[in-house]
Amino acid sequence: SQTIHQWPATLVQPVGSPLSLECTVEGTSNPNLYWYRQAAGRGLQLLFYSVGIGQISSEVPQNLSASRPQDRQFILSSKKLLLSDSGFYLCAWSQTSPAEQFFGPGTRLTVL
Amino acid sequence: SQQGEEDPQALSIQEGENATMNCSYKTSINNLQWYRQNSGRGLVHLILIRSNEREKHSGRLRVTLDTSKKSSSLLITASRAADTASYFCATPRDNYGQNFVFGPGTRLSVLP
Repeated sequence: SQTIHQWPATLVQPVGSPLSLECTVEGTSNPNLYWYRQAAGRGLQLLFYSVGIGQISSEVPQNLSASRPQDRQFILSSKKLLLSDSGFYLCAWSQTSPAEQFFGPGTRLTVL
Repeated sequence: SQQGEEDPQALSIQEGENATMNCSYKTSINNLQWYRQNSGRGLVHLILIRSNEREKHSGRLRVTLDTSKKSSSLLITASRAADTASYFCATPRDNYGQNFVFGPGTRLSVLP
């Protein structure tokens, strides 16, 4: 069966520090991968999606970036965090079309 | 782009009652999905309904789709305290069916 992992679960970082969030999927190959951000009590904002290794589409211009170094690994990064980067970050994968998405447990990021 | 908008924003009911949430969207779609999110967790896929379907059931869940009114509803019958969560509808971002736009969600509270 397929599983999706995200780490860390919780992160507190100072403004200006770098960020690296990791997402890995097991039990499937060549999945579509997604990074979302969710503000408190709000819906999901799509940040990046990837249909294959090295293929990244950005939905929202900001100081975040994403990379997909391996088929089932998706990384969200920042060189310098802003206060506005605080939120709940969710990774998801899908395969079929129309695509049911499977979400990871999320990372709660607080930037101080 | 497509956008699902849930209504109401928040709903509070007693255990055993039925809960109805609505989703409206702006342009034609070929499918619509409903997801559930427990507080601080990832989203879980509930049901997908295609544009040629008017109603779909899954356990205590009933989803309807009215393409003429560009709306969908999620009915939870005989609600339980464990149904307390946020519920989101998701509509396709494009015709490829790989990306979805999530609405802001309905926060459902089921009181014991």
